[in-house]
Amino acid sequence: GEDVEQSLFLSVREGDSSVINCTYTDSSSTYLYWYKQEPGAGLQLLTYIFSNMDMKQDQRLTVLLNKKDKHLSLRIADTQTGDSAIYFCAEDPYNNNDMRFGAGTRLTVKP
Amino acid sequence: NAGVMQNPRHLVRRRGQEARLRCSPMKGHSHVYWYRQLPEEGLKFMVYLQKENIIDESGMPKERFSAEFPKEGPSILRIQQVVRGDSAAYFCASSPGTGALFFGSGTQLSVL
Repeated sequence: GEDVEQSLFLSVREGDSSVINCTYTDSSSTYLYWYKQEPGAGLQLLTYIFSNMDMKQDQRLTVLLNKKDKHLSLRIADTQTGDSAIYFCAEDPYNNNDMRFGAGTRLTVKP
Repeated sequence: NAGVMQNPRHLVRRRGQEARLRCSPMKGHSHVYWYRQLPEEGLKFMVYLQKENIIDESGMPKERFSAEFPKEGPSILRIQQVVRGDSAAYFCASSPGTGALFFGSGTQLSVL
């Protein structure tokens, strides 16, 4: 397809792991990004991965990249209520900062 | 070091009026992007500008919408003769040219 695709909703219990999945479109994208949007706010860059990497870990966040399948995932370990937000996957298919975003996955963390 | 500044935060317009949304990029950033987020939908790219130039406007509606990024001053997204369907959150982002985008807090446009 032509769009960056994400599932729209994910609900987990506090303390569990969350895995948010994304399928992107262009294998030439040099970087792939995860952004977080809290209610009423703009997007904040959460993490990114360089396309020649398979995995990147940053504290509770783990990004996995499968270039063959154009699949990107974000794992949040020990999910907290403060992690409740919308998470956007983004690619830069022309490597010129002309980013394309998925529709966002709304993560709800239940106590 | 101020981030991307958008104003106003909220804008209410009646149908047929004009809406002007402003965006000041981060210091040192010469690339500006505008995105629209409709309720319960994701971000849709609208336009990408550098100083005094429109680089990509493939996401902009052909009519009523225009954008500029003058040599001096903020980038402006202008919507003429607004309709109810224009109600959305409009986000501006900036970058130095490569790497991640940095977003403002958005302008929530409500058309009555």
